[in-house]
Amino acid sequence: TQLLEQSPQFLSIQEGENLTVYCNSSSVFSSLQWYRQEPGEGPVLLVTVVTGGEVKKLKRLTFQFGDARKDSSLHITAAQPGDTGLYLCAGLHGTSYGKLTFGQGTILTVHP
Amino acid sequence: DVKVTQSSRYLVKRTGEKVFLECVQDMDHENMFWYRQDPGLGLRLIYFSYDVKMKEKGDIPEGYSVSREKKERFSLILESASTNQTSMYLCASSLSMLRQPQHFGDGTRLSIL
Repeated sequence: TQLLEQSPQFLSIQEGENLTVYCNSSSVFSSLQWYRQEPGEGPVLLVTVVTGGEVKKLKRLTFQFGDARKDSSLHITAAQPGDTGLYLCAGLHGTSYGKLTFGQGTILTVHP
Repeated sequence: DVKVTQSSRYLVKRTGEKVFLECVQDMDHENMFWYRQDPGLGLRLIYFSYDVKMKEKGDIPEGYSVSREKKERFSLILESASTNQTSMYLCASSLSMLRQPQHFGDGTRLSIL
């Protein structure tokens, strides 16, 4: 089983602060996806990164895929209370059927 | 928009019961997945299916089985429920091509007493 280590598990910050969430593996993934989950709902895709070294921006969120396609990071600039939620990274195997391996998740709380 | 519908939001069952969790998607997706979600463990794959009547074991299949008789419907079965199966269960679907996102239902919170 290919593992994804996600850190930190919990993050509690004040509105306006910056933060970074990390996702690391010893295995290579064909691509990596980031999801956000709010209470009572299923995860929703934020972004997919495919190429080693790729950087994607989604408003105040910046996603990076490591050069070796073994790690990824999510950086949020000037966090807002609306960013509160569970963030999950998921690596896509190069083989069959869109099977994903998920990290443990990061619970982010942004206080006003 | 893709819609993945899980039949129950909350379910309470007793130890030893046979439990059925149902999932339906409306976008003609080939792949369907069942996960359980526990605090600090992320999502763990139980079973997945890439076509009607086809199924593959995920990382934690013990104590579970699945059924996919129609493309849009994927059922998770707990053969004899146990307390350690108390969890949030999430169903997802995706297109068959690589790198396609998974679309999730809102989950079933199952409690086994």
